[in-house]
Amino acid sequence: EVQLVESGGGLVKPGGSLRLSCAASGFTFSSYSMNWVRQAPGKGLEWVSSISSSSSYIYYADSVKGRFTISRDNAKNSLYLQMNSLRAEDTAVYYCARDDLPTVTTSWGQGTLVTVSS
Amino acid sequence: QTVVTQEPSLTVSPGGTVTLTCASSTGAVTSGYYPNWFQQKPGQAPRALIYSTSNKHSWTPARFSGSLLGGKAALTLSGVQPEDEAEYYCLLYYGGARVFGGGTKLTVL
Repeated sequence: EVQLVESGGGLVKPGGSLRLSCAASGFTFSSYSMNWVRQAPGKGLEWVSSISSSSSYIYYADSVKGRFTISRDNAKNSLYLQMNSLRAEDTAVYYCARDDLPTVTTSWGQGTLVTVSS
Repeated sequence: QTVVTQEPSLTVSPGGTVTLTCASSTGAVTSGYYPNWFQQKPGQAPRALIYSTSNKHSWTPARFSGSLLGGKAALTLSGVQPEDEAEYYCLLYYGGARVFGGGTKLTVL
């Protein structure tokens, strides 16, 4: 069974940093592209970033480009999101999601809440 | 900045049929945008329903179908059930980037 478990969320002050992790199990992690998607409280889904299976291809939404960095460690079956220069508008539940194919996003974790507030 | 637009809300009666649409600010949505559809219920993570315009996942109920309609991606629910009440999101692919629609809140009443 595919399992994606996010962690690392919490309360951080504006301008601060946070690193999210997503632990994957139940599948060959190194074979799949992965994504971060966020959802602000009471709002819709927003794609944040994607990384290919070997980290060769990385993409970011304009809203986080230059502040967030996606990475992965295939040996540890883990996906990461380093978030710097955090703003109030980054407050959201952050989900990791797996692509079954480059254009097929299938499996989702349960999310971790990031709150940016002074 | 690319914007993907969905109906904010729709209401359907149990047993009825409803179509949700997904439009792109860049022009007509084609199969090359690989439309995906997701269902999200309160307090839950999204669940994938449709990929590449019209392909269903193994767990997708038969009453859900995807298509292209009038330059938009479309999700049709036929024979709506009470448990279909949820938020529905489309996702379009723009090369490496992806954009979600704003979501449609479907009420079954």
